[in-house]
Amino acid sequence: KAGVTQTPRYLIKTRGQQVTLSCSPISGHRSVSWYQQTPGQGLQFLFEYFSETQRNKGNFPGRFSGRQFSNSRSEMNVSTLELGDSALYLCASSLDVLETQYFGPGTRLLVL
Amino acid sequence: AQTVTQSQPEMSVQEAETVTLSCTYDTSENNYYLFWYKQPPSRQMILVIRQEAYKQQNATENRFSVNFQKAAKSFSLKISDSQLGDTAMYFCAFNSGGSNYKLTFGKGTLLTVNP
Repeated sequence: KAGVTQTPRYLIKTRGQQVTLSCSPISGHRSVSWYQQTPGQGLQFLFEYFSETQRNKGNFPGRFSGRQFSNSRSEMNVSTLELGDSALYLCASSLDVLETQYFGPGTRLLVL
Repeated sequence: AQTVTQSQPEMSVQEAETVTLSCTYDTSENNYYLFWYKQPPSRQMILVIRQEAYKQQNATENRFSVNFQKAAKSFSLKISDSQLGDTAMYFCAFNSGGSNYKLTFGKGTLLTVNP
């Protein structure tokens, strides 16, 4: 089976812009989770989707949003980018959330 | 709130030797899952090993094994016969399901295997 894929792999944006990141889960996986990884804060949970429903959301401002499509693919959007949004954004998929989560390679976002 | 603590920010070990990475966690849940993930430099996060809290037997995957002490809320990872390719950041993670639906990670331990 193909692994979790994320596009794009790298992004450079300027403050105030918005960005959309995409994640394609492993075939058959219905749960998709997003995490933000920074050197200072480590790995922080953003949100989790299962069958197009957001079941949990982390402690991030409303500028961070996401959605999941009927084929389980997921997107996350960050509006009005700030310098502090520079990070590696990781997507993980699993059969369900208590099952092992498999991670994609991440999207590295740099906000200038 | 669940928390995961990795008290060793960095460790080093000589090739072929054994090293143990520590992890403690805090939860009021009785049923949960613990994981060790490995993130090599500039590479993808991969699962090393998984432990279900209801299982008393410690999980083992080839050279990797855990020492799970439920009462002490401790979950350490032992790497035997360390190899250069084991050099990576290691993250301990916790998932209790319920209404949480997320992995909670520790800050990580950077392990360097020296030749």
